[in-house]
Amino acid sequence: GENVEQHPSTLSVQEGDSAVIKCTYSDSASNYFPWYKQELGKRPQLIIDIRSNVGEKKDQRIAVTLNKTAKHFSLHITETQPEDSAVYFCAATFSGYSTLTFGKGTMLLVSP
Amino acid sequence: NAGVTQTPKFRVLKTGQSMTLLCAQDMNHEYMYWYRQDPGMGLRLIHYSVGEGTTAKGEVPDGYNVSRLKKQNFLLGLESAAPSQTSVYFCASRYGTGTYEQYFGPGTRLTVT
Repeated sequence: GENVEQHPSTLSVQEGDSAVIKCTYSDSASNYFPWYKQELGKRPQLIIDIRSNVGEKKDQRIAVTLNKTAKHFSLHITETQPEDSAVYFCAATFSGYSTLTFGKGTMLLVSP
Repeated sequence: NAGVTQTPKFRVLKTGQSMTLLCAQDMNHEYMYWYRQDPGMGLRLIHYSVGEGTTAKGEVPDGYNVSRLKKQNFLLGLESAAPSQTSVYFCASRYGTGTYEQYFGPGTRLTVT
């Protein structure tokens, strides 16, 4: 089945620094790659997504890049703030695009 | 517009007991999903449905059953609960073909003793 590897599992940065989280996927037919943010005790919420026909997408301080040849995509957060502290999950479509396979998550801690 | 709701929010079961988790959405979404979330394991798909009356197995379906009798509801059943089913369960829904974004419910924390 589809496999999504996510690294690192934990990431600590100082406020104002940039953070990068990377994911690789196994199914070359995957065509949609979302990133979810989950705060402690809350539901996952979509923060940004990218489709396979686009190489990069930005939304204010966050951006996602996709390299289809290498089958990897990354989340970039610039000028990090303490409220960015959360667990971030990447995902990729699988099974004829009906389902998502998630990475195991990255705990991001932004220290003031 | 409540979005995706889940009932109950918390539940404690004894081994061998049964229960049903209810997921409801008011967004007229075709697709619905049940995930479980365990520490360090991410979100793993249990079962899903691509429309009323349909269900399909996900990555970890054993020990669970589902039903989608109405478009707005997706039920997850545990026939004989085991301690290994202690987890946080999330339901999600998606509009349908051509759109991929999944909207999550608030979750149900289940403990099996």
